[in-house]
Amino acid sequence: DGGITQSPKYLFRKEGQNVTLSCEQNLNHDAMYWYRQDPGQGLRLIYYSQIVNDFQKGDIAEGYSVSREKKESFPLTVTSAQKNPTAFYLCASSIPSGANYGYTFGSGTRLTVV
Amino acid sequence: AQSVSQHNHHVILSEAASLELGCNYSYGGTVNLFWYVQYPGQHLQLLLKYFSGDPLVKGIKGFEAEFIKSKFSFNLRKPSVQWSDTAEYFCAVNREAAGNKLTFGGGTRVLVKP
Repeated sequence: DGGITQSPKYLFRKEGQNVTLSCEQNLNHDAMYWYRQDPGQGLRLIYYSQIVNDFQKGDIAEGYSVSREKKESFPLTVTSAQKNPTAFYLCASSIPSGANYGYTFGSGTRLTVV
Repeated sequence: AQSVSQHNHHVILSEAASLELGCNYSYGGTVNLFWYVQYPGQHLQLLLKYFSGDPLVKGIKGFEAEFIKSKFSFNLRKPSVQWSDTAEYFCAVNREAAGNKLTFGGGTRVLVKP
C-alpha cells in the first residue's frame, strides 16, 4: 500500500542534543511538508519541499533543518537551538495541484525533551 | 498573514445530536478549503474539500460543509452524530497564489457521549 512512514513513533531527547525524524513516502508525490502539532494551536508549518533538492521555510522554521536529497525522503532535524521542541511532529506529502490535490499524512512522531 | 480560525476548541454532545463546527479564514482571493479529521490514535485523514463549483460539499461519513464566500467561512456539519465521530477536526486553507501549502486552524475536539 502507498503511504507515508514516519519513524520513530516516540523519541526522547536530552537538552542540547540534535535529533532527526524520518519521513519516507512511496506515493510518488513531489511535495512534502513538516508540521508541528501542539494542543490548541493546530498544525503549524515548519518546512516544505516542492521538489527534490529544494525546500523553503514555513512559519516556524527556527531551530529546525531539513534536506531533500531523494523524492521519497524528507528528514527533519530538531536542533538544540529549538527552544521548545517537545511536540507531535507530522509529515505530509501531496501532488502539487489539480483536482486530486490534498495532503496524505504520516502517523507522526512524538518528541519529548527530558 | 493568512489565518484560519476555528471558533470552538471543545464540543461535547450526545449521540444523534446535530453538529456544526465553524471555520473562518482571513484571506481574500482564490482559496481551496479542507476539513481533516484525526480519530484517537489515527492518522489525519481528509473528510472533504472544496475547490470550486457547488458551495455545498459532501464528504465521507455523512459530513458536509458549506462555503460562503461573503463570510469567508467553511463550516462543517453533520445532522446526526455517532459515538464514533469523537475526534479532533481541523479546517485548512490553501491559497492558490501561495503554492500548495495548507494553513490549518487550531482544531476542535469533539466528544460524542453514547
